[in-house]
Amino acid sequence: GAGVSQSPSNKVTEKGKDVELRCDPISGHTALYWYRQSLGQGLEFLIYFQGNSAPDKSGLPSDRFSAERTGGSVSTLTIQRTQQEDSAVYLCASTSNLGQHTGELFFGEGSRLTVL
Amino acid sequence: QQPVQSPQAVILREGEDAVINCSSSKALYSVHWYRQKHGEAPVFLMILLKGGEQKGHEKISASFNEKKQQSSLYLTASQLSYSGTYFCGTGFSNDYKLSFGAGTTVTVRA
Repeated sequence: GAGVSQSPSNKVTEKGKDVELRCDPISGHTALYWYRQSLGQGLEFLIYFQGNSAPDKSGLPSDRFSAERTGGSVSTLTIQRTQQEDSAVYLCASTSNLGQHTGELFFGEGSRLTVL
Repeated sequence: QQPVQSPQAVILREGEDAVINCSSSKALYSVHWYRQKHGEAPVFLMILLKGGEQKGHEKISASFNEKKQQSSLYLTASQLSYSGTYFCGTGFSNDYKLSFGAGTTVTVRA
C-alpha cells in the first residue's frame, strides 16, 4: 500500500507475556518514529531511526522495550514481560526528510495493545 | 522538553474562530501541527521552520515566534470538519527527536 502499515491493529495479551508490533513505512522513507498514546493522552516519543545511524532510544520507558529496524525499512517494537500500564496505542510514523524534521510525518493507524 | 499546549479544550460554533498555542522552554528549530480525529491516525497540517518558512496544505494558518519560543494555530471560520485533537510537535537544532504536546481538543458544533 501507499501508506504506513502497522500490525497487528489490535493485540490483547496477558500480563507478563512478550509482544511484537510491526511497522512497514512508506517505501523510500529513511526516518521512522515510534510513539505511544495512552487513552486520551498525547503522543509520547519512544524511539527514532534515521537511515543507518544509531537510533535515538531516549524515549523508551524501560529496558523491557526495544526496537529494531531491519534493512532500513520494516521496524519491530518489542515489549517484554508486558505490564498493564503498557496498554496504549502504539503509533509508527515515517518521513522522507533527511534534514532535521522538516518533512511531514506520515502516521500509521496504530497498534492497540491491551494488557490484561 | 515536551511543549505545552493551551487551551486543553475548546468548543466552537460553526463559523467561529479559535487560537491554539504551543510553547517551548527551549529555542525551537521547527514546529509541526497535526490533527487527529477519534480512532484515526494523526494527519499533517503544517510545518513552521526557524527563519519563517512554512509548509502546509490546509486552510489553517499558523505563526511561529522564535523569540518567544512559541507557535499559534489559527482556526478561522471553523467548520464541522475542524473537530479533533490538535497536536503541536517541536524540533530542536541537532536533535532529530520530535516531541509532541498533550493536545488540544476542538469541538465544532452546528
